[in-house]
Amino acid sequence: GEDVEQSLFLSVREGDSSVINCTYTDSSSTYLYWYKQEPGAGLQLLTYIFSNMDMKQDQRLTVLLNKKDKHLSLRIADTQTGDSAIYFCAERYSSASKIIFGSGTRLSIRP
Amino acid sequence: GAGVSQSPSNKVTEKGKDVELRCDPISGHTALYWYRQSLGQGLEFLIYFQGNSAPDKSGLPSDRFSAERTGGSVSTLTIQRTQQEDSAVYLCASSSGAGAKNIQYFGAGTRLSVL
Repeated sequence: GEDVEQSLFLSVREGDSSVINCTYTDSSSTYLYWYKQEPGAGLQLLTYIFSNMDMKQDQRLTVLLNKKDKHLSLRIADTQTGDSAIYFCAERYSSASKIIFGSGTRLSIRP
Repeated sequence: GAGVSQSPSNKVTEKGKDVELRCDPISGHTALYWYRQSLGQGLEFLIYFQGNSAPDKSGLPSDRFSAERTGGSVSTLTIQRTQQEDSAVYLCASSSGAGAKNIQYFGAGTRLSVL
């Protein structure tokens, strides 16, 4: 079945690292995505990883993929107040055009 | 335009009325998607267009919902006889449809409130 799960909330101190976790169900997923949604805005693609990769790094963002456990994580280094948003994990199957989204993790930053 | 444009940004309507939501995709993008985001929820897929045809409309919740796309560009999502449970943010996305990445670019959404 199609299911992407994330925890709903995460609170971190400014300057610390944030790790947002996601699990998915379909082992045939080809691409996995992280989107960011700021208040009142649409979704912005942050990064994506192809299923034959284990890790992808892009500036402060690190994506880790564990295919065996169907687990995806997004690490944000040196978290800033501007990182406050909802982060959505999403997967796409090889044969499908639609992307399945998780419910989103609301990241809040405390001073 | 530079990005996906949706109008109106906010729509308040009375229960039982029909509403039309518009999406202008990125120029040249052949694929267009509609999603619904209810309060505190993730994105629920509604329908996907490739050109003017809709190969996947499996997410439309009832026959009150319909969508069309003309000229391979603008799309309209119509909700007839709106109900309070239709209140949500309706998001549109477009993609070039080329390549396996299928990166979707989102508009800011239309917030629909049914009173």
